[in-house]
Amino acid sequence: KNEVEQSPQNLTAQEGEFITINCSYSVGISALHWLQQHPGGGIVSLFMLSSGKKKHGRLIATINIQEKHSSLHITASHPRDSAVYICAARPTIQGAQKLVFGQGTRLTINP
Amino acid sequence: DARVTQTPRHKVTEMGQEVTMRCQPILGHNTVFWYRQTMMQGLELLAYFRNRAPLDDSGMPKDRFSAEMPDATLATLKIQPSEPRDSAVYFCASARDPEAFFGQGTRLTVV
Repeated sequence: KNEVEQSPQNLTAQEGEFITINCSYSVGISALHWLQQHPGGGIVSLFMLSSGKKKHGRLIATINIQEKHSSLHITASHPRDSAVYICAARPTIQGAQKLVFGQGTRLTINP
Repeated sequence: DARVTQTPRHKVTEMGQEVTMRCQPILGHNTVFWYRQTMMQGLELLAYFRNRAPLDDSGMPKDRFSAEMPDATLATLKIQPSEPRDSAVYFCASARDPEAFFGQGTRLTVV
């Protein structure tokens, strides 16, 4: 079992739908990152969370430390949101900045 | 607009050849990571440096891979000799706690 699990692995939705991607982890963490990777391959850091909730535009990320669970939400989804979304945990036990990655969720938003 | 720069963006080489990938981290960032991404394994940490000192390279095959940071503006990842199983996208990321920024990656194909 991976230390970081994402669901779903693939998600297809229509433009305008509310999207939720989930991330569960099994280790103690100091922070959790949500990354976005577009078809061109570049990786962009969307959020870094250690507690609570963060919002940036149409993107919202939440984390529940007790339940070891984080979610990434996209409101009013758009075809340009189509990408792979990767959850990455920074375990406290393994050193300050190493990241353990989920397998990614491939999101496709159809017009 | 500060960014992490990786060169080359693409590299095709024959098995047995030496490959060197370069990364210019964002000025002022004190931590540099090398990650590898494949379809099968997703993103994996190979090595990381803090203040130019190698902190962890346990994710790297020691017999053929080496990572160095000769100065604060350059990190290198070398594979010698390369093998077809090394074909992947190699990402460099630089960080100044808590955020990390990724380069565009080097897509390596070993034939």
